[in-house]
Amino acid sequence: AQSVTQLDSQVPVFEEAPVELRCNYSSSVSVYLFWYVQYPNQGLQLLLKYLSGSTLVESINGFEAEFNKSQTSFHLRKPSVHISDTAEYFCAVSLANAGGTSYGKLTFGQGTILTVHP
Amino acid sequence: EAGVTQSPTHLIKTRGQQATLRCSPISGHTSVYWYQQALGLGLQFLLWYDEGEERNRGNFPPRFSGRQFPNYSSELNVNALELEDSALYLCASSFDPGDTQYFGPGTRLTVL
Repeated sequence: AQSVTQLDSQVPVFEEAPVELRCNYSSSVSVYLFWYVQYPNQGLQLLLKYLSGSTLVESINGFEAEFNKSQTSFHLRKPSVHISDTAEYFCAVSLANAGGTSYGKLTFGQGTILTVHP
Repeated sequence: EAGVTQSPTHLIKTRGQQATLRCSPISGHTSVYWYQQALGLGLQFLLWYDEGEERNRGNFPPRFSGRQFPNYSSELNVNALELEDSALYLCASSFDPGDTQYFGPGTRLTVL
């Protein structure tokens, strides 16, 4: 069975500092990888995704993540955070069988609460 | 373009009652997914509907059920409510099975 591990439950940083939120997954089959962000009392918003192609993916608001197949990781980074980045971030994995048929479900990590201090 | 919508926003029920939650996917999306976000348990997959059929189910008891209508909207029903069913229920939709899932704002279910 697949699993997703977010190594830090809480990450406090100061404004304009760099940040890395770590995500590792376990799976022996092909995966699609996602990062979602959840602001208080809201649903999940897609931040970025890796489906295929370039292993480095970027979002429109300065986040990036790199798919590392050998280390089964998909860490999220931002070189300079803002107060508005304070939220909970979820890493998720979607699996397909050998024939490429999706199982449909996303398996989520436990989430990392990013708190940006002024 | 409208996103995924869910109703109601909040729902308060007592133990033993039934709850019905509704979801409208993004226009053109045929797959609808339901997730439960309970305190301390994280986000857990509940159900996946595509083209009106249940395609996959998470590790939840049968009192969690649902359906998808011809217009691709979906309903989640929870029977014989228990206190631990209190959670945020999130609906997501995708254009194709396995494609990127886009989430709605959720329904907060409180069981007293």
